[in-house]
Amino acid sequence: QLQLQESGPGLVKPSETLSLTCTVSGGSINSSSYYWGWIRQPPGKGLEWIGSMYYSGSTYYNPSLKSRVTISVDTSKNQFSLKLSSVTAAETAVYYCARGGWLAYFDYWGQGTLVTVSS
Amino acid sequence: QSALTQPPSASGSPGQSVTISCTGTSSDVGGYKYVSWYQQHPGKAPKLMIYEVSKRPSGVPDRFSGSKSGNTASLTVSGLQAEDAADYYCSSFAGTNNWKVFGGGTQLTVL
Repeated sequence: QLQLQESGPGLVKPSETLSLTCTVSGGSINSSSYYWGWIRQPPGKGLEWIGSMYYSGSTYYNPSLKSRVTISVDTSKNQFSLKLSSVTAAETAVYYCARGGWLAYFDYWGQGTLVTVSS
Repeated sequence: QSALTQPPSASGSPGQSVTISCTGTSSDVGGYKYVSWYQQHPGKAPKLMIYEVSKRPSGVPDRFSGSKSGNTASLTVSGLQAEDAADYYCSSFAGTNNWKVFGGGTQLTVL
């Protein structure tokens, strides 16, 4: 059974960089059939797609975040990561990692991790 | 403001059917077959219920069905059950500029 687990600091200061890692178990991140993505959800609000990547390194970003986002992969550790720079308090949210079929859907999700942006 | 428009709430009695709409444009919902729907219970991660407009992943009851007409996609839940009460989100591929967008979500209440 595929499982995804987010990890990283739960508190980030404004203007700093948010960094999260998603560890994939029960399957290989090298699969040519799937993409891997990040989605966030502010408390009490809806879902927002941040970006997705293919194991080969191809990346796709939400244009509203593109200048501040980097998604990368470490195939040796079966992990992929999110970096979001210059964060503000409005970016306090639960951050999810997920597996997807290209950019069509996300079929496996991590449990999510709450990141609070506050000084 | 979300790229796709959903009604904030919907409701139905047990056993009834309810349909949730998701309205976009020809650049997303209307232009591609890549509409998906997610169910989210409080404090839980979203769960994929429908992909590619009308396909159901393994394990999703056939009470859930999806369709699309023009720029509007729909999720229908038939034979409502108490456990169907949740938030539902639609999503669509949005071309090579915006890539992927979500709706604002619909809270489904089972009366």
